[in-house]
Amino acid sequence: VQVSESGGGLVQSGGSLRLSCAASGFTFTNHAMTWVRQAPGKGLEWVSGITASGDSTYYTDSVKGRFTISRDNSKNTLFLQMNSLRPEDTAIYYCARGGSTSVTPPGFYWGQGTLVTVSS
Amino acid sequence: QSVLTQAPSASGTPGQRVTISCSGSSSNIGSNYVYWYQQLPGTAPKLLIYNNNQRPSGVPDRFSGSKSGTSASLAISGLRSEDEADYYCAAWDDSLSGHVVFGGGTKLTVL
Repeated sequence: VQVSESGGGLVQSGGSLRLSCAASGFTFTNHAMTWVRQAPGKGLEWVSGITASGDSTYYTDSVKGRFTISRDNSKNTLFLQMNSLRPEDTAIYYCARGGSTSVTPPGFYWGQGTLVTVSS
Repeated sequence: QSVLTQAPSASGTPGQRVTISCSGSSSNIGSNYVYWYQQLPGTAPKLLIYNNNQRPSGVPDRFSGSKSGTSASLAISGLRSEDEADYYCAAWDDSLSGHVVFGGGTKLTVL
């Protein structure tokens, strides 16, 4: 089982980035997926989750209306479209597999993370 | 400020049993499963406990979880130096159309 993030980088405040998470080694359509972030020196913050089918999505309040989670089940890939980025969005973004088809706290499989830096 | 409350630090000596607590409310811990994660410096978090007290395959039985009402605890017995890490609790929260909440984390120091 493997999940691997990509797409991080340096962006100016107000800009956009699209993160991707490639999954392999398991039946992607059987698992919800989640994005979790960690600002430098800070704790974990759940960002967003999507059900296995993709028909339901959930967000933490601070990113609602700015971030969009989606998945392409034909390509075993999870996405996070991040618009109107703010300096406080600077963090390592982790992709994690859920334990079931419904969104729950992240399961055992996490990626290595991708760093997003938003400059002011 | 995190929705789930954890003490920022804890400590113990090798061989000792330590407990890390996580306090929530009726909308999260009180009505949903609790998860626990271990994060070593510079690495991704690792799932230690799911569904309040279940260990994934490969997690030593020195780690155990429990829940009572709106609080949960992670116990580590036979403390080892390699257990020095940050520990986080998490749960689904039924409020605001549903979301996951994390605790602020507890830094465990092995003296």
